[in-house]
Amino acid sequence: AQKVTQAQTEISVVEKEDVTLDCVYETRDTTYYLFWYKQPPSGELVFLIRRNSFDEQNEISGRYSWNFQKSTSSFNFTITASQVVDSAVYFCALNTGFQKLVFGTGTRLLVSP
Amino acid sequence: NAGVMQNPRHLVRRRGQEARLRCSPMKGHSHVYWYRQLPEEGLKFMVYLQKENIIDESGMPKERFSAEFPKEGPSILRIQQVVRGDSAAYFCASSPPAGAYEQYFGPGTRLTVT
Repeated sequence: AQKVTQAQTEISVVEKEDVTLDCVYETRDTTYYLFWYKQPPSGELVFLIRRNSFDEQNEISGRYSWNFQKSTSSFNFTITASQVVDSAVYFCALNTGFQKLVFGTGTRLLVSP
Repeated sequence: NAGVMQNPRHLVRRRGQEARLRCSPMKGHSHVYWYRQLPEEGLKFMVYLQKENIIDESGMPKERFSAEFPKEGPSILRIQQVVRGDSAAYFCASSPPAGAYEQYFGPGTRLTVT
């Protein structure tokens, strides 16, 4: 069975702090994709990144970076120098080729000025 | 190139009424997925459709819920005799025939049952 765990329900930081959102996944498939989505207060889902199981290189995009470690089945997301606009719920998701995405329960990030 | 469109964005229904949610996939996409997000929860898969076919409905409640994706027109998620517990955000996603690992989400329909 596939499962995604986001143990952090809510995180509060002050602007300019760095913050890491944890994601641990479970699957027996050797080929799979991992995703992060952002859900701002307006409610839509914003795609942030996709990573396939054969590519363990870390990725950086501006203030965002992702650390994929197959050895620990983790795909963590770090926001550097957080901003108030980063306040949102962040979802980690897994796709193993059976088409459906399996989502974690989300981490609510609150960034205060 | 328009993204995935869903309408209505907000829908209010009284208990016992029917709710119809529409989803128009991105141009060139022939795969549609529906997900439900209950209040304060993550998204849960409901159903996966291709044109005129239901491929996987393992996440659909057994009663009152149905989905279709006709040859022409949008995909429809239909909820009959709605109950308060159906209040949720319903998201549609689409993907192209190849590269189905990547799904593009619509803005969602927020259903409120009074």
